[in-house]
Formats: sequence, C-alpha cells, structure tokens
Amino acid sequence: AQSVTQLGSHVSVSEGALVLLRCNYSSSVPPYLFWYVQYPNQGLQLLLKYTTGATLVKGINGFEAEFKKSETSFHLTKPSAHMSDAAEYFCAVISYSGGGADGLTFGKGTHLIIQP
Amino acid sequence: DSGVTQTPKHLITATGQRVTLRCSPRSGDLSVYWYQQSLDQGLQFLIQYYNGEERAKGNILERFSAQQFPDLHSELNLSSLELGDSALYFCASSRLADPSDTQYFGPGTRLTVL
Repeated sequence: AQSVTQLGSHVSVSEGALVLLRCNYSSSVPPYLFWYVQYPNQGLQLLLKYTTGATLVKGINGFEAEFKKSETSFHLTKPSAHMSDAAEYFCAVISYSGGGADGLTFGKGTHLIIQP
Repeated sequence: DSGVTQTPKHLITATGQRVTLRCSPRSGDLSVYWYQQSLDQGLQFLIQYYNGEERAKGNILERFSAQQFPDLHSELNLSSLELGDSALYFCASSRLADPSDTQYFGPGTRLTVL
C-alpha cells in the first residue's frame, strides 16, 4: 500500500526565512507525488506534482520540491517565507488497488506558521 | 476559485438521518472524486466517478453511496448518520480518469451530526 508521512504537524518560521516541509513516502510502485495547500475555510489547491522526468519540480507561489528516490522523500521548500504562506500543507501519493490507480492518499498535514 | 461548486456549505443534522451532498465539477471535467476530512482520520479518499461510471473505491462505508449524473454533477448520499460522520466532505474534479491528472477541489461541505 502507498502512504506518506509528514514530519512535524506544526512548523514555524520567520518571515523571509527558508520554508522546509518534510514528506516521506512508501510505495511499491514508482510514485506519483503531490503537494497541496489548504487555506482556512477553503478547499485544497495543488502546489506541484511529480509524475516522471525531472526530479526537481517547481510549483506555484515560489514553492518547489525534489523527488529523492534513495531517501524516499519529497520535501517542499520555499527560499523566503511570506505571511500569506501561512496555511495547512498536505503531501499526497496516488494509491493503487487491484483495479489500478485510485484516489490520493494524503499525509496528516503540516500547519505552517509564519512569524513576523 | 477552482470552478468546482459544492452545496450546501454547511449541514447540521441528527444521528440516524440521511443527507445528500452535491458537487458540480469544472466545465469539461469528466472525473469526480469524493474525499472526507476529519480530525481523527485526516483526508481520506472515498470514491471516484468518471463519465457517469464508478471507477474506483476507497474507504467508503456501506452506509454511503454516490452517483454521477448525465450532466456530470455528482451526489454523495450519507445514511444512518453517526456522530463520527461529522467531517468536511470535499469533491474534486479532473479532466481525465487517471488520478495523476490534476484534481481541482471544491470548497467543501461541513457536516455536523448531533
């Protein structure tokens, strides 16, 4: 079964500092990986995704993530945090069953706090 | 705004009751997913429909059912409601059947079971 683990339910950084949100995956097949952001009282918005090809993936709002197979990781980074980045971030992987690819399996989420 | 609409925004009901949640996908999207977000279980995939047909099933209870209509809108029916069914229910849509295709999420329906 496919799963993702997000390290740290809460991460606090200062405005202008590096943002690093950690995600490790477990998958018996080459994984398709995603990062989503959820702002308060809103639905989820895709930040970026890795399917195949280049392992460094650039997304919206200045975020990027690097797929590292040897470390089974897909950490999300942003060089300089803005106050508007405060939100809940979810790492996800496509789950598979006997019938093929299903929906997304999400991590527990990381709440990003930006300190002024 | 993702282009996915969900109604109602909030729903409060009692245990044992039945409710229907509605989702309209983005224009041109054929695939609809339903997810449940709760404090204890997190975000869980429930079920996927593609062009009117059920395509994939996740952790959906037998008390829950869904369908997708010819106009591609979808409904999630929850019956014999229990306190533990209180959660945020999201619908997402995508153009293709493959879940690797970008899924666009609606704003959710918050269900409270009293």
